[in-house]
Amino acid sequence: AQTVTQSQPEMSVQEAETVTLSCTYDTSESDYYLFWYKQPPSRQMILVIRQEAYKQQNATENRFSVNFQKAAKSFSLKISDSQLGDAAMYFCAYRSAPGNTPLVFGKGTRLSVIA
Amino acid sequence: GAGVSQTPSNKVTEKGKYVELRCDPISGHTALYWYRQSLGQGPEFLIYFQGTGAADDSGLPNDRFFAVRPEGSVSTLKIQRTERGDSAVYLCASSLLAGVADTQYFGPGTRLTVL
Repeated sequence: AQTVTQSQPEMSVQEAETVTLSCTYDTSESDYYLFWYKQPPSRQMILVIRQEAYKQQNATENRFSVNFQKAAKSFSLKISDSQLGDAAMYFCAYRSAPGNTPLVFGKGTRLSVIA
Repeated sequence: GAGVSQTPSNKVTEKGKYVELRCDPISGHTALYWYRQSLGQGPEFLIYFQGTGAADDSGLPNDRFFAVRPEGSVSTLKIQRTERGDSAVYLCASSLLAGVADTQYFGPGTRLTVL
């Protein structure tokens, strides 16, 4: 079974600075997708960014980018120019491909943004 | 447009009681997922529907848990003889199709507290 590990229970960043959240995963599969979800206090999970394992180029969405190291099974999230609205729980997730498989989540990292 | 909605937002019940949790997916979404998020953990998969049928119920913890989606839209998660360990946030998600690349959109969850 696949597992996802987020080793940082909590992180903090100054407003306008950059922060990196870590995620590692364990799998024997070669084809899969990786995701970062944001969960604010409202509890609603919001997709931040995703990466297909077969793509070597790191995904980028505005201020959010990932560092995907397939051999190392590492998938970190970088948030640039941090904003107060970025404060939330961030979950790394894995999904096997192809097929209709569920998301496997890590335990999350709580990000605080300091004004 | 309307997102995934879940009712009730919060539910407090007594040990041994029966509860029903409702999920209204985004209109037109064929796939629907239930996850359970315990305190301090990431969401864990419970069951997935493709249309009206449960395509994968491998995450249901025991036979006290049951879910239906009779018309391929609204889904109800049913928990019999609730136990204190069932206390958690129950999240529902839907996606247009069930492929690995299809984004899952989450609702705000139902916080279940079993006294």
